[in-house]
Amino acid sequence: EAGVTQFPSHSVIEKGQTVTLRCDPISGHDNLYWYRRVMGKEIKFLLHFVKESKQDESGMPNNRFLAERTGGTYSTLKVQPAELEDSGVYFCASSQVGYYEQYFGPGTRLTVT
Amino acid sequence: GQSLEQPSEVTAVEGAIVQMNCTYQTSGFYGLSWYQQHDGGAPTFLSYNALDGLEETGRFSSFLSRSDSYGYLLLQELQMKDSASYFCAVRDRTDSWGKLQFGAGTQVVVTP
Repeated sequence: EAGVTQFPSHSVIEKGQTVTLRCDPISGHDNLYWYRRVMGKEIKFLLHFVKESKQDESGMPNNRFLAERTGGTYSTLKVQPAELEDSGVYFCASSQVGYYEQYFGPGTRLTVT
Repeated sequence: GQSLEQPSEVTAVEGAIVQMNCTYQTSGFYGLSWYQQHDGGAPTFLSYNALDGLEETGRFSSFLSRSDSYGYLLLQELQMKDSASYFCAVRDRTDSWGKLQFGAGTQVVVTP
């Protein structure tokens, strides 16, 4: 069974540019989460999809961040325009409904210069 | 405010036992999870406690005391491959199997 995959693994962009991160969850996992870890700090929740619906987006920092989950399969997280403080590692995780274990992807390391 | 406190680093020798503590202060509590992350890798699930007591899985054990808002992860017979960051995370909602709140993690360094 394939795990959670994320693309790209690394992205370096300039302040003001746009970046789109992609996450492919484990097949059959209706729950999809986005988290972010800024250097040295805790992993922070951004938002949670159940299938294609946003269940909880309380962690999204501001309206420069837009997440979508087309057809309840893969998800994208767009940052537009990027700011320096957006740098960090963005993790995607998925889980089955009714199960507490979340499966994480390897993350996308975003550097905004 | 809501917080999870973990020691930043623990160093131990191969074969030893190491305990990592986690104290939490959250608006709700429905379970404590532990995740392991090697440098540059994905966090991987280790254990989950919803009720007080000890859960054992091989060399790993996790303990929870809800009355003390405290838990710990115990690693026995330490191996070099156990060098990693260990995060505790609280699930503070029961509906929708939602978000985890993470601590900043404990870096475990295993020496020969």
